[in-house]
This record gives sequence, structure tokens and C-alpha cells, in this order.
Amino acid sequence: QQQVKQSPQSLIVQKGGISIINCAYENTAFDYFPWYQQFPGKGPALLIAIRPDVSEKKEGRFTISFNKSAKQFSLHIMDSQPGDSATYFCAASMDSNYQLIWGAGTKLIIKP
Amino acid sequence: DAGVIQSPRHEVTEMGQEVTLRCKPISGHNSLFWYRQTMMRGLELLIYFNNNVPIDDSGMPEDRFSAKMPNASFSTLKIQPSEPRDSAVYFCASSFMGGGTYEQYFGPGTRLTVT
Repeated sequence: QQQVKQSPQSLIVQKGGISIINCAYENTAFDYFPWYQQFPGKGPALLIAIRPDVSEKKEGRFTISFNKSAKQFSLHIMDSQPGDSATYFCAASMDSNYQLIWGAGTKLIIKP
Repeated sequence: DAGVIQSPRHEVTEMGQEVTLRCKPISGHNSLFWYRQTMMRGLELLIYFNNNVPIDDSGMPEDRFSAKMPNASFSTLKIQPSEPRDSAVYFCASSFMGGGTYEQYFGPGTRLTVT
């Protein structure tokens, strides 16, 4: 019940296309859903995050869509660029436990 | 701020040796996390501290691993004795827990190779 399931494991998208990564969770007590971006040789860094009181959050080309009833959330990268090539992790947390529960990661490659 | 600082950045050691990884969290942060990342197992939380106190060490693989946080600005992760299967990238992350923020700031990692 503590798991966060992330798919796909890897994704190749053409430059200018839309990249979509999905995550699903079981624990309805989760109330914070971040996405982290990791470049090779670096630690993960927070990209964008959402709370369940909204269904969508947009920051530039990055959008989180949140479906509370389905217990799913996804990251959309519009106009994908080669510089977006990285590994993306979704995660979830709840107030009573600040620990992040991490998805397995998606390796995204944007082809020029 | 310099961000989270980890040392060494790379460590190569022989099986059976003791390894100590070091972390300096961001000043003012009150929580610190140690992670291990491998291709096979992804990102695993080993232990986390809040206000220098270990809160959850259920991710520590076995007794060969130990972690300490003697003060708010320093933590160590020790492996004794080290084994080849401990080869991984070890990340330290820090965070300020309070006010509903959960963002974790990661260091650059220590790449450990045990031969």
C-alpha cells in the first residue's frame, strides 16, 4: 500500500513531441506528489509538485495531471527538447510522515 | 548556499575495508536522508534523521551499515566491512520539515566501487 508504481521504465520521444510519464498509488493518505528530474552524474532535483486539492498544475512546459478518484498522476512535457533527456521520478508523501515514497524512475530520451 | 556537500565524490576500496561517506546538509535544514541508487534497485532510502535523531532506519540493508548525525551540520554513513554488492551511488539529501514543505535537496552523490 506504500508503493508508487511508475511507467514506462523508458521512453523515447522526438524533439517537439509530448512526453508522458504515469504514476499510480494506493494509499489515499498521500497528500503531496512531486516529480524529480535527475541528469547523469547528478542528484535528483525537484521539478514540479502537486497536492490533491487541484487536478492540474503547470510550470512552463511541464504539467502534472492528477486524478484523485483513479489514484493516478502523470507528468506531461510539452515541446520536448533534447535537454529534457533525464531520468524522472515520481514520489508521494503525507503529512504524518515526511518520508517520500519513490517510483522506480523513467529514463527519457528526446531524439533531435 | 553551497547546497548539500558530500565527500568523497568517488571511492574505490577492496572488499572487507571500512568505508565512510560524509555529508554536510544545507544550513537551517532539520531533516537528512541517505539514499542508495543502483540500476537494479533504483533509488532506495536507507535512513533518515529529523533534528539529528534517526527516525527510520528500516532501509539499512544489514548491520554492516551504520549512520550517525552528531550535529545539525554533519552526518556519516559507514559500511564495515564493505562487500562488492555495496557498489552504488550514495546520495545524501536534506530538507526543512515544517509548513507543509517536503522538498528534498540532493547532494552530488558518492560513487562507491568495492572490488
